[in-house]
Amino acid sequence: QITLKESGPTLVKPTQTLTLTCTFSGFSLTSRGVSVGWIRQPPGKALECLGFLFWNDDTRYSPSLESRLTITKDTSKNQVVLTMTNMDPVDTATYYCAYTEEWFGDLDSTWGQGTQVIVSS
Amino acid sequence: DIQMTQSPSTLSASVGDRVTITCRASESISTWLAWYQQAPGKAPKLLIYKASTLKSGVPSRFSGSGSGTEFTLTISSLQPDDFATYYCQQYNSYFRTFGQGTKVEIK
Repeated sequence: QITLKESGPTLVKPTQTLTLTCTFSGFSLTSRGVSVGWIRQPPGKALECLGFLFWNDDTRYSPSLESRLTITKDTSKNQVVLTMTNMDPVDTATYYCAYTEEWFGDLDSTWGQGTQVIVSS
Repeated sequence: DIQMTQSPSTLSASVGDRVTITCRASESISTWLAWYQQAPGKAPKLLIYKASTLKSGVPSRFSGSGSGTEFTLTISSLQPDDFATYYCQQYNSYFRTFGQGTKVEIK
């Protein structure tokens, strides 16, 4: 069974750096075709992809946020970490991590429950 | 990055209705398209991938079609659990992108 869980601060101040951790089980991030992505959703708004870490250590980031984002992994702990710098109130959202496995177009995906982040002084 | 546009943004329907949601890509994505369902306060769940393949366990009243730049999600007979928001997502490029969502609400 694949599970993911996001953890990190609920409240951050403007200009601070946000660090969120996704702890997962049931899959290996080194398996071909596997990726872990970070997606956020501001209150009442649509899903927004932030970035992805792939099985081959490749990363892809949102072009509009790339300068502020870093996604890394700790294989020994089965964790993927999102770092976002210079937080602003517009970054207030629920942040999700999601597992995806893609194999010749076939896709499977499982998401964490999400973690709420509020940016306020 | 590839832009995904869904229509309508909101859809009002009754239990038993047939509903169709459209998703358009800014460039051809072949059939590399997935549909997700998000219930209020919950994380999204995968329904369909490769434009028309139902994930195991998803009710057969859900179906998807399309290729290239135009895709549809159809619910043949709306059930109470289906009132939710639906998102399309392309995975033709490494940076996968979502549509803006379609909320299916009770009429």
